[in-house]
This record gives sequence, C-alpha cells and structure tokens, in this order.
Amino acid sequence: DSGVTQTPKHLITATGQRVTLRCSPRSGDLSVYWYQQSLDQGLQFLIQYYNGEERAKGNILERFSAQQFPDLHSELNLSSLELGDSALYFCASSLGRGRLDEQFFGPGTRLTVL
Amino acid sequence: AQSVTQLDSQVPVFEEAPVELRCNYSSSVSVYLFWYVQYPNQGLQLLLKYLSGSTLVKGINGFEAEFNKSQTSFHLRKPSVHISDTAEYFCAVSDGGTSYGKLTFGQGTILTVHP
Repeated sequence: DSGVTQTPKHLITATGQRVTLRCSPRSGDLSVYWYQQSLDQGLQFLIQYYNGEERAKGNILERFSAQQFPDLHSELNLSSLELGDSALYFCASSLGRGRLDEQFFGPGTRLTVL
Repeated sequence: AQSVTQLDSQVPVFEEAPVELRCNYSSSVSVYLFWYVQYPNQGLQLLLKYLSGSTLVKGINGFEAEFNKSQTSFHLRKPSVHISDTAEYFCAVSDGGTSYGKLTFGQGTILTVHP
C-alpha cells in the first residue's frame, strides 16, 4: 500500500458525459501528479500540482482539467468524454516538487467510456 | 524532448534464470532514471533510481540497473528470477534540466517467469 488513495476504483459512463476522479496523496506529500495509461498511448504524464498550484503540464487535453485543494487532495475532471478516453488513470504523490522526489502511485481509476 | 525506449515488449524466462530488461533513453539535458514495476491490477512501485554517483544502482527484490551514459542505456537485471517477479516493468526518465517531476515512461516490458 503506497498510501495514495484514489476513488472510484472503476467508472463506467457514456460518451459526452463528465466525470470526476479523486486522489488523496500520502500524508505530508505536497505534489500530486496525474497519469493516463492506455493500450495505444502507454503511460503518459498529464499534469502536476504542488501545494495547490499547477507546476507542470503534459499531454492533457483541453477537455480535461485538474485542481488541488487546500487539504492537498486533487481532482481530475474529464468532460465531453470520448471512447478513446477509456484508460487507467493514476495519481501519484511526492514530498517535494522536483525531479529528485520519489513518486508514490495510487491503485488507479479504471474509466470505461461506452 | 526526452524519450524512453524499452527494447522488448515481452520477456519470457524460466524460474531461477537471469534476466535483463533493456531501456534506452534520449534527452538533451542531464537525466534521472527510474525503474517501476506494476503487478496485475495494482499501481506502480519504484524498484530503483539513478540520480547521480555510482552507475550501478541496487534496488528492491534483488534487482539492479547500470547507467551507461555513452550508450544512453539503463538496463535492469536480476541474477535469478522468481515466479513472483512476473509483472510489467517500466523504465522512466525525469528531465534534469527543469525543476518539476514529470516522468516520461517507456512502453513497458512484460516479464513472465515460468516454472
């Protein structure tokens, strides 16, 4: 158990819908990262927040947005869902904001868009 | 831009045999390198990392990796595998030229250990 929790574990929805994925980092960690894992794209970095502020952005679609709240939990919002958004979404957390920090991964949320 | 190539998508091996999972990277700046393992239906777990210093890095579960700057490689090795090592392994690189923690992952190598 990494100490990172993600809810829900599974999510099944329809095209065009909007969903929210939630992540609680390990106690004391200030950074939260979101990654998408799909069969065709592999594991891709989406976005990083550090202590409430956006720190880095990767291949995140405009239909996707994220935020980190004062209690440091984070939410990833996916809207106007398409079939291709079906994937495993991982959240990770680290103590600091930099490249030297070990990232601890949650168990993931499996999103299925029908 | 940085990229990671894992040269084998699948590696079958018998129990107690040695294994090497290959990883090559490209980056225009200094890098930090990682190997993660993903067991079925679980998140990723860090096996080992290279940040600086000795090029031979030892990790958990008996794994080790060697950083080779001239060949831009970071191959993962284990001298004797166990059935429980069956999993997917990911090589990742973090850009040393910036201050954030974005990881770029390879496509993964599925290691299957047969009895």
